[in-house]
Amino acid sequence: ETGVTQTPRHLVMGMTNKKSLKCEQHLGHNAMYWYKQSAKKPLELMFVYNFKEQTENNSVPSRFSPECPNSSHLFLHLHTLQPEDSALYLCASSQPGQGAPGELFFGEGSRLTVL
Amino acid sequence: TQLLEQSPQFLSIQEGENLTVYCNSSSVFSSLQWYRQEPGEGPVLLVTVVTGGEVKKLKRLTFQFGDARKDSSLHITAAQPGDTGLYLCAAMYGNNRLAFGKGNQVVVIP
Repeated sequence: ETGVTQTPRHLVMGMTNKKSLKCEQHLGHNAMYWYKQSAKKPLELMFVYNFKEQTENNSVPSRFSPECPNSSHLFLHLHTLQPEDSALYLCASSQPGQGAPGELFFGEGSRLTVL
Repeated sequence: TQLLEQSPQFLSIQEGENLTVYCNSSSVFSSLQWYRQEPGEGPVLLVTVVTGGEVKKLKRLTFQFGDARKDSSLHITAAQPGDTGLYLCAAMYGNNRLAFGKGNQVVVIP
């Protein structure tokens, strides 16, 4: 139990569907992240939020739309995805200036399959 | 261009054997982390190394940061099935940016 909870754990969707991934952290952290993990590739940073404000968008296609209503919750809205978007999507949080430099606390991930 | 190269990509050993995996780069980092990711789980931080030449031990796991802060190794003594997982190195560089390697997949056979 890392204090970061992601739902759903598994999601199968068609290319025309709209779905959302949810992340909630119970650690009191101010920074939250979305990462994409594909087979045989390094973790790819997608978005960073600090104090609810988006501070980084790593050239992510607009079919991925993040939302951060408060410091504890982060969503990733999905629309008209492609099969190559199938991957494990990991949410993480951190508290800059606390703990080890850059230490991330990850959720268990949402396994997404796009048909 | 891959910032961090991890080798070997896959390693299968018998319980009780020792193993070493590596994380290498041509860049200098301010700090480096090792995470372990078990099947169906997210990565969990094992250790952070900051000083060149630093060695840290976590039970049977020994982590070393290279003198030039460009590389790191993870040595596991007397591996157990519970050590099975994907070992990810991640390095801080530039303006607090974190880069990950592809990982070392380790399988310990009982």
